[in-house]
Amino acid sequence: KAGVTQTPRYLIKTRGQQVTLSCSPISGHRSVSWYQQTPGQGLQFLFEYFSETQRNKGNFPGRFSGRQFSNSRSEMNVSTLELGDSALYLCASSLGALELFFGEGSRLTVL
Amino acid sequence: QQQVKQSPQSLIVQKGGISIINCAYENTAFDYFPWYQQFPGKGPALLIAIRPDVSEKKEGRFTISFNKSAKQFSLHIMDSQPGDSATYFCAASHTGNQFYFGTGTSLTVIP
Repeated sequence: KAGVTQTPRYLIKTRGQQVTLSCSPISGHRSVSWYQQTPGQGLQFLFEYFSETQRNKGNFPGRFSGRQFSNSRSEMNVSTLELGDSALYLCASSLGALELFFGEGSRLTVL
Repeated sequence: QQQVKQSPQSLIVQKGGISIINCAYENTAFDYFPWYQQFPGKGPALLIAIRPDVSEKKEGRFTISFNKSAKQFSLHIMDSQPGDSATYFCAASHTGNQFYFGTGTSLTVIP
């Protein structure tokens, strides 16, 4: 069974640009969550989608947004990038049974 | 505000020794406490988890100790091996849809 797939794995952007990250969950998983991982801060919750509906949202500015498609694939978008947005963005899918299955992440560098 | 506080930030243990990582939380509504293990270049993976109705859970060399009154829980790795060298994250959840993670502990097991 294929795991959670995130694309792209690495990307470099400049301040003010926007970026879209993609996540394909494990087949059959309808819940997709996004986390930002930075050194010293651990994993910070961004948002969680279930059946195309955002169920929970973390404490991030409105520049961070996401969506989920009917096939459970999800995208997150960050607009007007800032240097502090440099991080590893992790996507996790779940069957709703509490265990999160993480992808390998998309590493974003903002210059 | 960090909902889950984790210590130490880094830990070096001799092979065969015991590794202990501690976490504390404030929100008494949390009802699920997992530990995740992350190797370099990989996403976190569930290691072991506990509910607050039990004080200890053991799976192989990994044990969670839970102190509900103190709002603390810890991970013990017995007979630590070089292959255990990784970053460990504790987490807590109330609804199971949003997880609050600690800041992580980088464990190095010296042969």
